[in-house]
Amino acid sequence: QFVLTQPPSVSAAPGQKVTISCSGSSSNIGNNYVCWYQQLPGTAPKLLIYDNNKRPSGIPDRFSGSKSGTSATLGITGLQTGDEADYYCGTWDSSLSAVVFGGGTKLTVL
Amino acid sequence: EVQLVQSGAEVKKPGESLKISCKGSGYSFSSYWIAWVRQMPGKGLEWMGIIYPGDSDTRYSPSFQGQVTISADKSISTAYLQWSSLKASDTAMYYCARSIVVAGSGNWFDPWGQGTLVTVSS
Repeated sequence: QFVLTQPPSVSAAPGQKVTISCSGSSSNIGNNYVCWYQQLPGTAPKLLIYDNNKRPSGIPDRFSGSKSGTSATLGITGLQTGDEADYYCGTWDSSLSAVVFGGGTKLTVL
Repeated sequence: EVQLVQSGAEVKKPGESLKISCKGSGYSFSSYWIAWVRQMPGKGLEWMGIIYPGDSDTRYSPSFQGQVTISADKSISTAYLQWSSLKASDTAMYYCARSIVVAGSGNWFDPWGQGTLVTVSS
């Protein structure tokens, strides 16, 4: 249903590191920049990463982004209970002429 | 502070029309694209389209073309999303977001409005 593929859920203990993958194709991730959004429960999404790996001001360096080929990855280190949220990747799709998102990944900090 | 403030929750019946709003402040509203994003209950984000308030240039996602109308009034720094005939399947949270587009770079949404919940039920 969603053009970009993310795992439905990931989990890790406080203080640990987690990665969230986002898989696409040459028409989207392969030839365009990726961004990531965090959606805390009951709130609007918030920009975490843009241009594959850049952080807006105010976003701690515990959050990082990378891209290789047609996949992108969000990394979060030093996990905190406050990081529990849904995370979405997004990019432009040149074939669809539309912004596309992944289905979202729910992060649980055990 | 750059901010987008959306209109309040709506409860409508199938077949009714609706127009929701998104008011920008803290920046030059005319100079940035505004995107609309749908989030159905318990589901992910779906890009509906964008508008450039400076000249009302509008682009729609193929999935939403013909289903909704996006407009803007730059004189009052407000963008709109409207339906002429609502369906139960339009029940969702709708977000507006400032769309940053940089030549030679990507595009991203920052900030987002707080969302407008639209409920369509008979």
